[in-house]
Amino acid sequence: DTEVTQTPKHLVMGMTNKKSLKCEQHMGHRAMYWYKQKAKKPPELMFVYSYEKLSINESVPSRFSPECPNSSLLNLHLHALQPEDSALYLCASSQRGFSGETQYFGPGTRLLVL
Amino acid sequence: AQSVTQLGSHVSVSEGALVLLRCNYSSSVPPYLFWYVQYPNQGLQLLLKYTTGATLVKGINGFEAEFKKSETSFHLTKPSAHMSDAAEYFCVVTGRDDKIIFGKGTRLHILP
Repeated sequence: DTEVTQTPKHLVMGMTNKKSLKCEQHMGHRAMYWYKQKAKKPPELMFVYSYEKLSINESVPSRFSPECPNSSLLNLHLHALQPEDSALYLCASSQRGFSGETQYFGPGTRLLVL
Repeated sequence: AQSVTQLGSHVSVSEGALVLLRCNYSSSVPPYLFWYVQYPNQGLQLLLKYTTGATLVKGINGFEAEFKKSETSFHLTKPSAHMSDAAEYFCVVTGRDDKIIFGKGTRLHILP
């Protein structure tokens, strides 16, 4: 099974809402990633978890809060977002988080902030 | 510092023609190089990667790429384009410092 699943597929939220994005993989991977992708742009790395510990935070605003409850699950908690945060949010995983590893991507959650 | 440049944000080829997508990189350390494909409304999928060893790398769906250190290039080719190849293609470079650098992407259009 080489699948990364993400829920929900689509999300619409107001600027005062709190919501969460969920990502799951059952490949035994120990590194998981969150990316943000705006239309017609490449993905931008937000966070990296390695062995359930946050290893990279690319200066992401605190209104985005990641959580890695276990090695298979990655959440992204959203609070007080801005319209410019509307984007496709991609989750990915890799074996251990080393540079030469293949990343396996989920289909993404398309987020619209009103 | 690492960087990656994809020449041409849009490339159009006729069905059955050669596909060539260009990628040049700069890196102060030996890089790892990847090509990922993104179909509309989907996540990214690995086409192929170079880490060490043979410089000609074969990937899925008939794609291949050659690592040319002297030219700092990793161009993606496919001998004969198919309509299903229409997608966004990203060249990615990573180094020993675990930084992940994406190119800006090339949209491949296949003309019937």
